[in-house]
Amino acid sequence: DIQMTQSPSSLPASLGDRVTITCRASQDIGNYLRWFQQKPGKSPRLMIYGATNLAAGVPSRFSGSRSGSDYSLTISSLESEDMADYYCLQSKESPYTFGAGTKLELK
Amino acid sequence: QVTLKESGPGILQPSQTLSLTCTFSGFSLSTYGMGVGWIRQPSGKGLEWLANIWWDDDKYYNPSLKNRLTISKDTSNNQAFLKITNVDTADTATYYCARIGPYSSYWFAYWGQGTLVTVSS
Repeated sequence: DIQMTQSPSSLPASLGDRVTITCRASQDIGNYLRWFQQKPGKSPRLMIYGATNLAAGVPSRFSGSRSGSDYSLTISSLESEDMADYYCLQSKESPYTFGAGTKLELK
Repeated sequence: QVTLKESGPGILQPSQTLSLTCTFSGFSLSTYGMGVGWIRQPSGKGLEWLANIWWDDDKYYNPSLKNRLTISKDTSNNQAFLKITNVDTADTATYYCARIGPYSSYWFAYWGQGTLVTVSS
């Protein structure tokens, strides 16, 4: 199985900060990487697909990038509504695997 | 408008079989490239992909659940199903279904609200 190592597990940040969350894939997954945002009691929301493409309706302060086997989600200027859990998902091959998650919280 | 909604028993006892239904609208599982996936999340923990079923009845399962999973569909009634046999307390979670396909931008773009399943004696 492909392992997705996500870091950090917790990220305290201030409003207006630039923040980055990273997932490292244990095998080549190409650009089959998605990022999700999940708020308490809600279903996950797709934010990024194909490693770098913004999903419909997602604010432009979110972006995705790739460097080799490292995939990053960056929020350019943190807003209060961005406080949530974030997960990466590889869909290159079955079994699809999620990262363990990052809790983004106010410092 | 795409919607999905999960339904399940709410509570069941260890060793029983969990039967989940995903009822959806706004798309058809007979469309080329379309699929539905099941994902679960124990309270306070991360997401775990369980299974996918595709328009052509191709199926994929998470081997971590060994042979306990069975996914199926009823195309005429816009439903997908997941059965988990021999449940135990570790299967207590919120279970989600999500649309997959037909294009990359649509994979996991639509989710149901989730249904909480508790396994308890």
